[in-house]
Amino acid sequence: GAVVSQHPSRVICKSGTSVKIECRSLDFQATTMFWYRQFPKQSLMLMATSNEGSKATYEQGVEKDKFLINHASLTLSTLTVTSAHPEDSSFYICSARSHGYTFGSGTRLTVV
Amino acid sequence: AQTVTQSQPEMSVQEAETVTLSCTYDTSESDYYLFWYKQPPSRQMILVIRQEAYKQQNATENRFSVNFQKAAKSFSLKISDSQLGDAAMYFCAYRSGSGTYKYIFGTGTRLKVLA
Repeated sequence: GAVVSQHPSRVICKSGTSVKIECRSLDFQATTMFWYRQFPKQSLMLMATSNEGSKATYEQGVEKDKFLINHASLTLSTLTVTSAHPEDSSFYICSARSHGYTFGSGTRLTVV
Repeated sequence: AQTVTQSQPEMSVQEAETVTLSCTYDTSESDYYLFWYKQPPSRQMILVIRQEAYKQQNATENRFSVNFQKAAKSFSLKISDSQLGDAAMYFCAYRSGSGTYKYIFGTGTRLKVLA
């Protein structure tokens, strides 16, 4: 079945630095990937839709300059949290669209 | 805009018993899909079951079945013969059948299975 690899699974970074999260489809090509954010004990909130070869579509209220998304190939989308602050600490999950939708295993970001 | 509501923050069920998780949604679209996802402590999202809106027959997957009431916009999940491994967060989700194909998730129900 379709597999989506998300890396890293956990990352701790200092306030003010940037961190990149990768979402990779291992055995299929994904023209569309989605990035979600999940706060503790809350639901998944869609942040943006990543389209290969074009600009990402951000949901209302999501700062596109803070959460940079790049979908440069059919198998890789990256989310870069720029100038991270403690309030950006969260669980980030990607999903990729193939015949269905497959979710990555998520990245726990802690900003200290 | 579409919305998904899960009114039960937490549910408990005795092992081997049956439990039903509730979900209601709101949409003006006619073409859409509904899903139940399981999120165990590992945080990996696992698809439990899906239902196409155009299908009248309720979807079933082994011990998992849904009660899809389209007119009432209700989509409940029944878990039969509950097992300890069923303990997790369960999210109801809506996806449009066209356009952006993005998911809208409910707030989740934490299911506890008691031995």
